[in-house]
Amino acid sequence: TQLLEQSPQFLSIQEGENLTVYCNSSSVFSSLQWYRQEPGEGPVLLVTVVTGGEVKKLKRLTFQFGDARKDSSLHITAAQPGDTGLYLCAGASNTDKLIFGTGTRLQVFP
Amino acid sequence: DVKVTQSSRYLVKRTGEKVFLECVQDMDHENMFWYRQDPGLGLRLIYFSYDVKMKEKGDIPEGYSVSREKKERFSLILESASTNQTSMYLCASGQGYYGYTFGSGTRLTVV
Repeated sequence: TQLLEQSPQFLSIQEGENLTVYCNSSSVFSSLQWYRQEPGEGPVLLVTVVTGGEVKKLKRLTFQFGDARKDSSLHITAAQPGDTGLYLCAGASNTDKLIFGTGTRLQVFP
Repeated sequence: DVKVTQSSRYLVKRTGEKVFLECVQDMDHENMFWYRQDPGLGLRLIYFSYDVKMKEKGDIPEGYSVSREKKERFSLILESASTNQTSMYLCASGQGYYGYTFGSGTRLTVV
């Protein structure tokens, strides 16, 4: 069974701090995505990474796909209250069914 | 703007009722999915469909059925609602490689 473990599970920080969320698996994925979900809403796709070692930037968010395509990280610089939410990673293998991570709940205080 | 629309944001139903959750997408996607999301359990796949009239069981199909008569519409049916089906239900469409588009979710309470 493919699993995606995220760490940390919970993160509570002050505005302006930096943070990194990790997504790890023993399985190889053809692509990996990161989603953010706000309370009472569905997850929204932030980024898809497909190449081992790939780094993508989205304003203050930096996403990296591991060289072996088994893991990924999300780094947020100078976090803001608007970054608050549940962050989910998801891996795609040889089917259209995604494997979702366990989630990281981020709270950024003003 | 591409969309997945779920018919209800909030629903309250009685135990034993038959419940229909509707989902419509405007992206001409072949794949559509139904998940439930519960605290501490993450996203769990109930059913998915890869084409009209085609369906496949996910991880937790018991107590649910689905219908896909048209490409854009995927319905989740709770045959006889029970309190343990109180949850957030999320519909999605897309291809795994590129990522999914999710609806806003339906929060179902069964009393």
